[in-house]
Amino acid sequence: GAGVSQSPSNKVTEKGKDVELRCDPISGHTALYWYRQRLGQGLEFLIYFQGNSAPDKSGLPSDRFSAERTGESVSTLTIQRTQQEDSAVYLCASSLVQGARPNYGYTFGSGTRLTVV
Amino acid sequence: SQQGEEDPQALSIQEGENATMNCSYKTSINNLQWYRQNSGRGLVHLILIRSNEREKHSGRLRVTLDTSKKSSSLLITASRAADTASYFCATDADRNNAGNMLTFGGGTRLMVKP
Repeated sequence: GAGVSQSPSNKVTEKGKDVELRCDPISGHTALYWYRQRLGQGLEFLIYFQGNSAPDKSGLPSDRFSAERTGESVSTLTIQRTQQEDSAVYLCASSLVQGARPNYGYTFGSGTRLTVV
Repeated sequence: SQQGEEDPQALSIQEGENATMNCSYKTSINNLQWYRQNSGRGLVHLILIRSNEREKHSGRLRVTLDTSKKSSSLLITASRAADTASYFCATDADRNNAGNMLTFGGGTRLMVKP
């Protein structure tokens, strides 16, 4: 597609349940990023995928969070045993990478607003 | 702690005035980017300035970068009500490993009154 697509756009879940968020990046973008944004705050890095390299998971806040990416396409972010503190907007972005560095801007999806009740 | 910190956190101006937002960061960077966010959803890339550049223009936007002070500014000239949004700076740190994610600041909430 023309942009980064995220689904669902909104998700309300009960505390303790697992959720799966999906991101479909721009075709040809080898780099994919997940960020979390709590209300009124900046973006918090979660995880980064680049081609077939091992993902950079340094931002994942706990072992309840995991993410996968199939090749250079769709990625899913899974949160197990959700807690109220997980409530946030989860944003996915993709970018071109040329050479060693992505000297291009990111293209963001519209995000998934997760509410844990 | 966040790499980029915007200043001010909130800014309210009248339509037609200029808006200036500042960003400070801590480590060496490869590039610095500015993004806009409406209604707390997806961010839109505005402009990228590389570490060897000092100033860049795009339409009504002007970005400066001072690597000696580790700071950047975003100037929006002749503001419009439609410019009302949150603006974030993001830095691509000059890291030795392969990771190259952007680190975002807390943002400046700009309100342009008609």
